[in-house]
Amino acid sequence: GQNIDQPTEMTATEGAIVQINCTYQTSGFNGLFWYQQHAGEAPTFLSYNVLDGLEEKGRFSSFLSRSKGYSYLLLKELQMKDSASYLCAVHDSNYQLIWGAGTKLIIKP
Amino acid sequence: ETGVTQTPRHLVMGMTNKKSLKCEQHLGHNAMYWYKQSAKKPLELMFVYNFKEQTENNSVPSRFSPECPNSSHLFLHLHTLQPEDSALYLCASSQTTGTGGTEAFFGQGTRLTVV
Repeated sequence: GQNIDQPTEMTATEGAIVQINCTYQTSGFNGLFWYQQHAGEAPTFLSYNVLDGLEEKGRFSSFLSRSKGYSYLLLKELQMKDSASYLCAVHDSNYQLIWGAGTKLIIKP
Repeated sequence: ETGVTQTPRHLVMGMTNKKSLKCEQHLGHNAMYWYKQSAKKPLELMFVYNFKEQTENNSVPSRFSPECPNSSHLFLHLHTLQPEDSALYLCASSQTTGTGGTEAFFGQGTRLTVV
């Protein structure tokens, strides 16, 4: 079957750096997405990786290793507003999105 | 108005009621989706429409009935639901299906409680 694993919950301190990991086993791979979802709100697109390497976008970066079936989202200079759930999703060979259960990130002052 | 809009935001219904969820997108997209989101579980894809044609029905019970009158509007008709159907129902749209790199844009969801 198809599966995406990410930690259920993480805690970090304001101003620090946190890395949220995502591993996937899917039938084919056509790209990986990270979304942010604040409580009670819509998921919003953060990043997309289809080739190996690091994509940087401001305080957020996303890394992909296709050979390892692994990605991470790196958040720098954490702010209280970064408290949210972070969802990892993969396009399989049919371009169907396979979703992880999300990582709830708690930021403490 | 921009983006993806869902109404109502909250809905409480009895098991014998009939209700409908509405989704509207103003992004000019051709694909629209219904997802179910339960606590601590991955998003569950329910239905996909591409150019108004239903392309996926992921074994969803018949008490959920989608309708897509045009590329901008999507409905989910609910009938004789069960308490385990209580969840957040998210609508999303994307440029199309079957291509890479096309991110989905989500509405804020309808929080459904079945009593």
